[in-house]
Amino acid sequence: EAGVTQFPSHSVIEKGQTVTLRCDPISGHDNLYWYRRVMGKEIKFLLHFVKESKQDESGMPNNRFLAERTGGTYSTLKVQPAELEDSGVYFCASSRIQGALDTQYFGPGTRLTVL
Amino acid sequence: GENVEQHPSTLSVQEGDSAVIKCTYSDSASNYFPWYKQELGKGPQLIIDIRSNVGEKKDQRIAVTLNKTAKHFSLHITETQPEDSAVYFCAAKSNTGNQFYFGTGTSLTVIP
Repeated sequence: EAGVTQFPSHSVIEKGQTVTLRCDPISGHDNLYWYRRVMGKEIKFLLHFVKESKQDESGMPNNRFLAERTGGTYSTLKVQPAELEDSGVYFCASSRIQGALDTQYFGPGTRLTVL
Repeated sequence: GENVEQHPSTLSVQEGDSAVIKCTYSDSASNYFPWYKQELGKGPQLIIDIRSNVGEKKDQRIAVTLNKTAKHFSLHITETQPEDSAVYFCAAKSNTGNQFYFGTGTSLTVIP
């Protein structure tokens, strides 16, 4: 079974530019999550999709971040315009079961650097 | 919301010794506590988890203990090996939500 994949692995952009990150969850996993880790800090929740619907987006920092999951398969996270504080590693995770039995499987992450 | 604290931030042990990483949480509704290991260039991988109806769980050289009264849980790695070197994250989750709350990570180095 293929794991969660993310693209690109690294992205370096200038402040004010736009970047789009992509996540392909494990096949058959309806739940998809985005997390972010800023250097040396905890991994922080951004949002949760169930199929194509946003279940919880309470962790999204501001309206410069837009996540989509058209068709309930892969997801994209767009940052527009990017700011310096957006730098960090963005992780995607997926799970099959929602709720207490939820085991989340993480992708390798996208390291975003905003200069 | 939930607040998870993790200590230490870095840990160095000699090969063969034990390593212990501790986490505390604040939300008494949390009932699922996974531990993730992140190796260089990879994403966090689940290594062991424990649910609130269990006090201890073991899987070969890895064990996790949970004290719900004190709201803390710990990861124990015995007979450490160089391949155990990685960043370890604890997390907590309640059955009222789907997000994990992570600790800040512990960078473990096992010295051969």
